[in-house]
Amino acid sequence: DAGVIQSPRHEVTEMGQEVTLRCKPISGHNSLFWYRQTMMRGLELLIYFNNNVPIDDSGMPEDRFSAKMPNASFSTLKIQPSEPRDSAVYFCASSGQGWGEQYFGPGTRLTVT
Amino acid sequence: AQSVSQHNHHVILSEAASLELGCNYSYGGTVNLFWYVQYPGQHLQLLLKYFSGDPLVKGIKGFEAEFIKSKFSFNLRKPSVQWSDTAEYFCAGGSRSGNEKLTFGTGTRLTIIP
Repeated sequence: DAGVIQSPRHEVTEMGQEVTLRCKPISGHNSLFWYRQTMMRGLELLIYFNNNVPIDDSGMPEDRFSAKMPNASFSTLKIQPSEPRDSAVYFCASSGQGWGEQYFGPGTRLTVT
Repeated sequence: AQSVSQHNHHVILSEAASLELGCNYSYGGTVNLFWYVQYPGQHLQLLLKYFSGDPLVKGIKGFEAEFIKSKFSFNLRKPSVQWSDTAEYFCAGGSRSGNEKLTFGTGTRLTIIP
């Protein structure tokens, strides 16, 4: 299995631009999680989906952030407009019908200048 | 409320020393417990997991963890660390039903001095 796939791996953009991060979960997994990691705030859960349905988006920082999961094999996290404080590594993780262990993708390092 | 606590923020050890990283949890009901490792510049990788049964769980790279229900603890251990164990270690807990979010501790940064 290829594991969780994220793209792009690195993104540098200017303040005010729209940013779209992409994630492909492990085939057969039915839960998908978006995290953000920074030195200051550590690892934060932004949102998670079960069977393509958003279950908990209480971690989404503000309306500039939105996430979708149109099908079982694809999810996006969009930031519009982006701000320098959004600079972070964004991880996607997925889990299956097991005991809840999550498998993380390689992350997208976002830099907003 | 569900919570996972890691009280050691930064641990520095010499190679061949023994390691124990603390993790305490607070959960209503039964809980699944995990340890993840994040090597510098990489993503989180699963080290080991506990669901039920033998409270002593063995994971990859010589790590083990012991579930002690009476102490609400799930400490990570390794008898002899190597320089390559330098990383950040996260304890996490989730409800027994699975397919729900995990609650992560704040992480412990481990530095091994050659």
